[in-house]
Amino acid sequence: DIQMTQSPSSLSASVGDRVTITCRASQSIRTNLNWYQQKPGRAPNLLIYAASTLQSGVPSRFSGSGSGTVFTLTIGSLQPEDFATYYCQQSSTTPYTFGQGTNLEIK
Amino acid sequence: QLQLQESGPGLVKPSETLSLTCTVSGGSISSDSDYWGWIRQPPGKGLEWIGSIYHRGSTYYNPSLKSRVTMSVDTSRNYFSLKLSSVTAADTAVFYCARVTWMQNFPRFDYWGQGALVTVSS
Repeated sequence: DIQMTQSPSSLSASVGDRVTITCRASQSIRTNLNWYQQKPGRAPNLLIYAASTLQSGVPSRFSGSGSGTVFTLTIGSLQPEDFATYYCQQSSTTPYTFGQGTNLEIK
Repeated sequence: QLQLQESGPGLVKPSETLSLTCTVSGGSISSDSDYWGWIRQPPGKGLEWIGSIYHRGSTYYNPSLKSRVTMSVDTSRNYFSLKLSSVTAADTAVFYCARVTWMQNFPRFDYWGQGALVTVSS
């Protein structure tokens, strides 16, 4: 299985901050990388697919980059509704695997 | 707007079989570009892909669960199902169904159900 490792596991930031979350794959997954946001008690919501393509309806302050084994999710200017847990997920090969999550908290 | 809704018992006894159904509305389960999947999330933990199924019946299971998982699809009623046998307390989780779209050749889970908590306990 391809292991996905996110860093940091938790992050404290303020409204207006720019934040970056990193996701590393245990082997190359080209650009088969998706990012999800999950709020408590809710299903995950797709933010970015194919490493850098913004899902329809997702605000442009979210962006993704990377290829191969290292990927980043950047939130350009944090808004109150962005405080949540973020997961990366590889779709290169089955079994599809997720990172352990990054909990983004209000400072 | 596509919607998915999980249904099934919220409590299952150890060693028994967990059964869930995902009803799809607002779209066809027979779309050629889509698979349909199950993901679970133990309380307070991360996400685990269980498996995916195509409308023609082909399945892909997580090897860690393969011996206990069966998925099926009913195109006439627009739903798909999950069975997980020989459950233990470790299988307690919120189970999500989701669409796996393959458009542009990049599979991703773009529509999710609200989730169903299944507790394994006697």
